[in-house]
Amino acid sequence: QKEVEQNSGPLSVPEGAIASLNCTYSDRGSQSFFWYRQYSGKSPELIMFIYSNGDKEDGRFTAQLNKASQYVSLLIRDSQPSDSATYLCAGDFGNEKLTFGTGTRLTIIP
Amino acid sequence: GAVVSQHPSRVICKSGTSVKIECRSLDFQATTMFWYRQFPKQSLMLMATSNEGSKATYEQGVEKDKFLINHASLTLSTLTVTSAHPEDSSFYICSARDPRAGGDEQFFGPGTRLTVL
Repeated sequence: QKEVEQNSGPLSVPEGAIASLNCTYSDRGSQSFFWYRQYSGKSPELIMFIYSNGDKEDGRFTAQLNKASQYVSLLIRDSQPSDSATYLCAGDFGNEKLTFGTGTRLTIIP
Repeated sequence: GAVVSQHPSRVICKSGTSVKIECRSLDFQATTMFWYRQFPKQSLMLMATSNEGSKATYEQGVEKDKFLINHASLTLSTLTVTSAHPEDSSFYICSARDPRAGGDEQFFGPGTRLTVL
């Protein structure tokens, strides 16, 4: 069974520091990965996606994918209180459906 | 671009009634939409994949006769929770792929919070 695993947290990071969120997956055939941010009571919002090994940067966010080790991570630089949310990792394992992790709750401490 | 809307945003109903939730892609045509359910402090669970002009594909354990999905046009999919019971109370979220984006990313609607009394 295809699985995506995340540490549920909570993860507390001081404002201005780097927040590091990690995700592992079980299917070597996975093609693409997505990071979504979900505020309490709201629906998920796409932050980044990554298909290839290596790093992908977008503003304060950097996604990292290592297919050999089967992990994907999200780094948030210069963390802001507005970054406090649950971050969901999702993988597309080639069947056009997304499999979501349980999410990591991130709290940025002012 | 890639805006997905849902209606209603919140609904409270009595046990035994049916509730219809609409999901619309506002600025693009979506041949495929997805319906998820999320219980408090849990992740999203895919219920079904809705395909325009054909029957929905349900995930294992999801009752297709209870959760009726209709995808009659390229911009509208509906989920009807039939004979709702308190255990159906949840946050229902739809998503769609934007073919213009060229990738596999899904864009989510704002969700519908269903409370069954």
